[in-house]
Amino acid sequence: QKEVEQDPGPLSVPEGAIVSLNCTYSNSAFQYFMWYRQYSRKGPELLMYTYSSGNKEDGRFTAQVDKSSKYISLFIRDSQPSDSATYLCAMSPNAGGTSYGKLTFGQGTILTVHP
Amino acid sequence: KAGVTQTPRYLIKTRGQQVTLSCSPISGHRSVSWYQQTPGQGLQFLFEYFSETQRNKGNFPGRFSGRQFSNSRSEMNVSTLELGDSALYLCASSRSDRGNEAFFGQGTRLTVV
Repeated sequence: QKEVEQDPGPLSVPEGAIVSLNCTYSNSAFQYFMWYRQYSRKGPELLMYTYSSGNKEDGRFTAQVDKSSKYISLFIRDSQPSDSATYLCAMSPNAGGTSYGKLTFGQGTILTVHP
Repeated sequence: KAGVTQTPRYLIKTRGQQVTLSCSPISGHRSVSWYQQTPGQGLQFLFEYFSETQRNKGNFPGRFSGRQFSNSRSEMNVSTLELGDSALYLCASSRSDRGNEAFFGQGTRLTVV
């Protein structure tokens, strides 16, 4: 079983819809949680970076972390065709040693927003 | 502020050859990590450098190596290339001492024939 599970989709929604993307994880040591957006043939772009449980909002994006359930979410409001991309969740523990610089990624969810 | 720069963007190599990829981190970032991305395995961690020291290494064979220079620029080297090494190689830099708030470059697409 993978440490981080993410439904690969694909997910197709109409423009203006609210999109919900999710990841579950098994490693209770994970404390930092990130969401990346990756367009085709590009590198991942950091969208959200959160520590421990709670919500964080940035424009049309909201990240939620529920450590008790080992579940994180990314919500995209008023989705646009330009949001069409692969969305990757990533996590890391709050420790050094074998954790330095190492993010554990989900497989990514392919999202298409159609006009 | 310039982002993470990786060169070259594309490479085609023959089995058995070696290759060196370069990464210039965001100014002021001292942590540099490398990842391999393939359709089947997703993003997998190769290694991380901080102040010229390798602090962490993933589960890759010894053919994969790297280094970091005093200006934080980093290189990774793959020797005796195999067909399975074909992938997108991504470099990420971080201002965090833990190296976890990572900003990625555009990657180097390596094809081994």
